[in-house]
Amino acid sequence: DAGVTQSPTHLIKTRGQHVTLRCSPISGHKSVSWYQQVLGQGPQFIFQYYEKEERGRGNFPDRFSARQFPNYSSELNVNALLLGDSALYLCASSFGRENTEAFFGQGTRLTVV
Amino acid sequence: AQSVTQLGSHVSVSEGALVLLRCNYSSSVPPYLFWYVQYPNQGLQLLLKYTSAATLVKGINGFEAEFKKSETSFHLTKPSAHMSDAAEYFCAVNISPWSGGSNYKLTFGKGTLLTVNP
Repeated sequence: DAGVTQSPTHLIKTRGQHVTLRCSPISGHKSVSWYQQVLGQGPQFIFQYYEKEERGRGNFPDRFSARQFPNYSSELNVNALLLGDSALYLCASSFGRENTEAFFGQGTRLTVV
Repeated sequence: AQSVTQLGSHVSVSEGALVLLRCNYSSSVPPYLFWYVQYPNQGLQLLLKYTSAATLVKGINGFEAEFKKSETSFHLTKPSAHMSDAAEYFCAVNISPWSGGSNYKLTFGKGTLLTVNP
């Protein structure tokens, strides 16, 4: 059974560009959450989507946006990239909204130059 | 609001020695607590979770953790370290589903890097 899959695995972008990261949750899971992990830190919550609606948002600027599709996959979009956006972006899926057991993907390593 | 403090950004033990990774949490409502492990260039793998049932929780790879409400702690232990345990460990807190809250998200500590010496 496939786990959480994220694409791409690595990405290099230039300041000011836009990026789209993708996540496919475990089959049957309806909740997808996004986290940003800067080097040397713990993951920070960005968004949660459940049943295609935004259910939670962390302390991130409006340059960050996301959506969830009818098949429960999700995209994270970041506009006007800054050097400080360089990080590992993690997607987590869970069955219900309560995130009582979240399973993480391998992450997308974004480098902004 | 919730927060997690992991005491010690780096813990070094000898192979076969006891592993103790410390985690203290702050939560205004009953929490769910988690330990995750992260190997280099990988995502997070769930080791164990506390969901208000037994206070002593057993996880994978011989790890266990004890929830102590009076101390607001959830320390991770393993009786005998293996070389393969070398990784970064994260403690995380979420609100429990029966807390009456609506913002379900994992709040992580800064992590503890565990090195195991031969």
